[in-house]
Amino acid sequence: DTEVTQTPKHLVMGMTNKKSLKCEQHMGHRAMYWYKQKAKKPPELMFVYSYEKLSINESVPSRFSPECPNSSLLNLHLHALQPEDSALYLCASSPHGQAKNTEAFFGQGTRLTVV
Amino acid sequence: QKEVEQDPGPLSVPEGAIVSLNCTYSNSAFQYFMWYRQYSRKGPELLMYTYSSGNKEDGRFTAQVDKSSKYISLFIRDSQPSDSATYLCAMGVYNNNDMRFGAGTRLTVKP
Repeated sequence: DTEVTQTPKHLVMGMTNKKSLKCEQHMGHRAMYWYKQKAKKPPELMFVYSYEKLSINESVPSRFSPECPNSSLLNLHLHALQPEDSALYLCASSPHGQAKNTEAFFGQGTRLTVV
Repeated sequence: QKEVEQDPGPLSVPEGAIVSLNCTYSNSAFQYFMWYRQYSRKGPELLMYTYSSGNKEDGRFTAQVDKSSKYISLFIRDSQPSDSATYLCAMGVYNNNDMRFGAGTRLTVKP
């Protein structure tokens, strides 16, 4: 099973709303990622959790708040977003980076529209 | 200079052609290399993963890495219309989960 599951698939939210994106994997991977992808652009790294600890935070605005409740789950809490935050939000996971089998697997993404 | 350079295309080929996709990189610390295929409005799908110089083959796909030249390639043999997608190269360093992506090359295979 090389599946990373993201919910919801689509989300429309107002600028005053609070919502959460969810990601789940059952491959025993210990690194989980959030990426943001705008149309016709490559994914941009937002956050990395390694062994359930936040290891990389790419200076993302505080209106995005990640959470890793356990080794299989990753959330992204959204609050007071701007229309320019509309994008495809991708979750990925990989075995811990110390190993040579570090390939990362992506979910299908959540298409977020901020109105 | 970007860490990872990839020609965004678009690239259009007839069905059955051999496709060559390439990335160059400037960071000699990169140790592992991946190729992803991304269909429109979907998440990237891992195609190939390599961590050493040389060739790796999987069906119609061959990944090639030349660390001395900081150059990686993906070859697609007998291309099919279903191969039409954006192909992204990605690379990273062990003990650092910060993967870096190329811009992606949009490929169209015409029947």
